[in-house]
Amino acid sequence: DIVMTQSPDSLAVSLGERATINCKSSQSVLYSSKNKNYLTWYQQKPGQPPKLLIYWASTRESGVPDRFSGSGSETDFTLTISSLQAEDVAVYYCQQYYSNPPTFGQGTKVEIK
Amino acid sequence: QVQLVQSGAEVKKPGASVKVSCKASGYTFTGYYIHWVRQAPGRGLEWMGWINPHSGGTNLAQKFQGSVTLTRDTSISTAYMELSSLRSVDTAVYYCAREGGSGYCLNAVCSLSHWGQGTLVTVSS
Repeated sequence: DIVMTQSPDSLAVSLGERATINCKSSQSVLYSSKNKNYLTWYQQKPGQPPKLLIYWASTRESGVPDRFSGSGSETDFTLTISSLQAEDVAVYYCQQYYSNPPTFGQGTKVEIK
Repeated sequence: QVQLVQSGAEVKKPGASVKVSCKASGYTFTGYYIHWVRQAPGRGLEWMGWINPHSGGTNLAQKFQGSVTLTRDTSISTAYMELSSLRSVDTAVYYCAREGGSGYCLNAVCSLSHWGQGTLVTVSS
């Protein structure tokens, strides 16, 4: 199974500042023939199910604010919140869907400083 | 709009079984795989398996083979997850989720675009 490791486990950022979350996979999730990275990001607020934010490592899901962006390739990925808003307080998970079984990172908790 | 509505919370004794339902609406039920993911209290997300509502075919994570059964009833657009031989470590919120479509999957391994509200299963003597 591909192991997904996120860093940090938690971070506190001031309102309006940038938040950066890293995700590393134990093997490449780049599907060369399609030149796509099969890496997705979810946001989970307390008491709610996860919400899909980004797929293919950098494609925002419809309706997701453009302050959320994803980057990276092969084994190293980043989710960036360019200007943190109060409603962005949540736990964020990366997940690979390159190979079976799909696997998640352990989550990164984002709080307001 | 796409909706997945799950059955209510359950309290079970160790060794019992539980069956959670997931009723889909707002799309063609047989057109998209349904996945099951669980989350123990204060913990992360764990993928359990999927069912193809069209064929009934399933794929389970190795950990859940032998203890989880996925089924569906296409007449009422509902998927089911049954977990047997419950132990305290199975206490978790169980989610059903729908894959986003062909663009969100690679060989049936998927990014999950729509989620149910979750069903808390508590295993306690």
